[in-house]
Amino acid sequence: SQQGEEDPQALSIQEGENATMNCSYKTSINNLQWYRQNSGRGLVHLILIRSNEREKHSGRLRVTLDTSKKSSSLLITASRAADTASYFCATDAGGSYIPTFGRGTSLIVHP
Amino acid sequence: DARVTQTPRHKVTEMGQEVTMRCQPILGHNTVFWYRQTMMQGLELLAYFRNRAPLDDSGMPKDRFSAEMPDATLATLKIQPSEPRDSAVYFCASGTAGGPLEQYFGPGTRLTVT
Repeated sequence: SQQGEEDPQALSIQEGENATMNCSYKTSINNLQWYRQNSGRGLVHLILIRSNEREKHSGRLRVTLDTSKKSSSLLITASRAADTASYFCATDAGGSYIPTFGRGTSLIVHP
Repeated sequence: DARVTQTPRHKVTEMGQEVTMRCQPILGHNTVFWYRQTMMQGLELLAYFRNRAPLDDSGMPKDRFSAEMPDATLATLKIQPSEPRDSAVYFCASGTAGGPLEQYFGPGTRLTVT
């Protein structure tokens, strides 16, 4: 299965701190995406990184991809209470580009 | 602001009843997904369509679940008969195929089967 596994399962930090979440996967991928899910809502796309890219930034988000280790990390800098959510990685492989989701990291940012 | 819409948002029903969930994908998106999310199993892909044709429904219990796209603006997911283990949040998502597929999720239908 291409399903990514996020680590840690849960993360609790104070506002202003950085939050780092990791995603590991088993076999070669085309792309890796990160999504956020606020409680009671649908998932929202955050960022996509292709297999030939090593790092991408979007605002306070920084994503890295290490294909040799089959892992990715999502860094949220200067976290805010509004960043409290679950974060999922999704990988795709082969020609279908259909993403497969991990189980997510639950992030709580305390004001 | 284009969004995926889902109805109903909440549904409580008794075991054995038929449940129909509806989704309106974003206009112009040609790929539609149905997911189920539970605490135990996480986010499971049930089925997806491309250009209204079902491409994969291997994640769906065939005996009781069915998914259709009667037209480009409507996708439906039916459960008949429903069982308590079907209680979950069901999400519809849409996107445009032809490369890395960014999915746009609806708000979900929270189904409770008693």
